[in-house]
Amino acid sequence: GAGVSQSPSNKVTEKGKDVELRCDPISGHTALYWYRQRLGQGLEFLIYFQGNSAPDKSGLPSDRFSAERTGESVSTLTIQRTQQEDSAVYLCASSLAGTGTTDTQYFGPGTRLTVL
Amino acid sequence: GQQLNQSPQSMFIQEGEDVSMNCTSSSIFNTWLWYKQDPGEGPVLLIALYKAGELTSNGRLTAQFGITRKDSFLNISASIPSDVGIYFCAGQAYTGGFKTIFGAGTRLFVKA
Repeated sequence: GAGVSQSPSNKVTEKGKDVELRCDPISGHTALYWYRQRLGQGLEFLIYFQGNSAPDKSGLPSDRFSAERTGESVSTLTIQRTQQEDSAVYLCASSLAGTGTTDTQYFGPGTRLTVL
Repeated sequence: GQQLNQSPQSMFIQEGEDVSMNCTSSSIFNTWLWYKQDPGEGPVLLIALYKAGELTSNGRLTAQFGITRKDSFLNISASIPSDVGIYFCAGQAYTGGFKTIFGAGTRLFVKA
């Protein structure tokens, strides 16, 4: 597609349930990122994929959070046993991750997660 | 770890006024990026800066990469109501892999 797409756009779940958030990066983009944005806050880095490996998982806040990526395509962020504190917008970005000196990320519209 | 200090946190201005916001860091970056986020949307890239001292314009937007490589500013001239949104700076360093750090954002409100 033309840009990064994410689904669902909105997700309301009950505390304790598991959720899966999906990201479709721009075709040909090798790098994929997940961020969390709490209401009124900035972007909190969660995880970075280069291809289907995740060299940087340093931002995952707990073992309830996991992510995987199929090849250089779709990625899924899974949150198990959701807590109210997980309520946020989850943003996905992709980039070419070139070997030059820059790596411009293009963002999807986000998934707004509400945990009741 | 690396942190970016972005200021101001929010700005309330009148249509037609000029706006300036900036980001500073204790770390050196190879690239500075400025994004804008509209309500309910993901951030959209406005300007990318690749060299220390670089000054780049995009319409009414002007951004500069600080000489020390530790800071950047974004100016918006003659603001209009559609400039409303959250502006994020991002610093990027390459240390065997790209690491991008985002500022907390500047929330801009424009009164017509």
